[in-house]
Amino acid sequence: AQTVTQSQPEMSVQEAETVTLSCTYDTSESDYYLFWYKQPPSRQMILVIRQEAYKQQNATENRFSVNFQKAAKSFSLKISDSQLGDAAMYFCAYEGTYKYIFGTGTRLKVLA
Amino acid sequence: NAGVTQTPKFRVLKTGQSMTLLCAQDMNHEYMYWYRQDPGMGLRLIHYSVGEGTTAKGEVPDGYNVSRLKKQNFLLGLESAAPSQTSVYFCASSTFRSGGYEQYFGPGTRLTVT
Repeated sequence: AQTVTQSQPEMSVQEAETVTLSCTYDTSESDYYLFWYKQPPSRQMILVIRQEAYKQQNATENRFSVNFQKAAKSFSLKISDSQLGDAAMYFCAYEGTYKYIFGTGTRLKVLA
Repeated sequence: NAGVTQTPKFRVLKTGQSMTLLCAQDMNHEYMYWYRQDPGMGLRLIHYSVGEGTTAKGEVPDGYNVSRLKKQNFLLGLESAAPSQTSVYFCASSTFRSGGYEQYFGPGTRLTVT
């Protein structure tokens, strides 16, 4: 069975600094997708970034980028130039064959 | 274009009471999902639907029932609420079940069972 693990319950970062959130997963599938979702205090889940497993190139969306290591089954999220609005819960998610599994989340605090 | 909406936003129930949560989406999505979110456990799938008139069990279906009579609506029912069902419930929808498509989430319903 597929699993998604986020080992950092909480992280802090100074405004304008860079932070990396970790995510590991376990699967026997070769084709799958990985996501990072952001949940601010409003509770609204928002897609941050998506990675296709068959693509070697790491996905990037403005200040957000991923480090996808398929062999290691690792999918970390890097946030550059952190802003106060980045403070939220971040969930890593795995999509396999008719399965969509979320990690337990990492709470990111941004310090002014 | 409202996206995914949920009603109600908050609800307090006594043990044994019943209620229905309503999810509506205006994006013509085929797939709809109900999740519950508990501290330290992420989101867990309760039930999902692959189209009008069809539903399927997810990871934690016990104590819940669902119906999808119209494509745009997905209802989650609690027949006899228990304190263990205290949680935040999220509805989501997507174009396809797989293929890397984003799930669009509603704002959540906070349910407390006393």
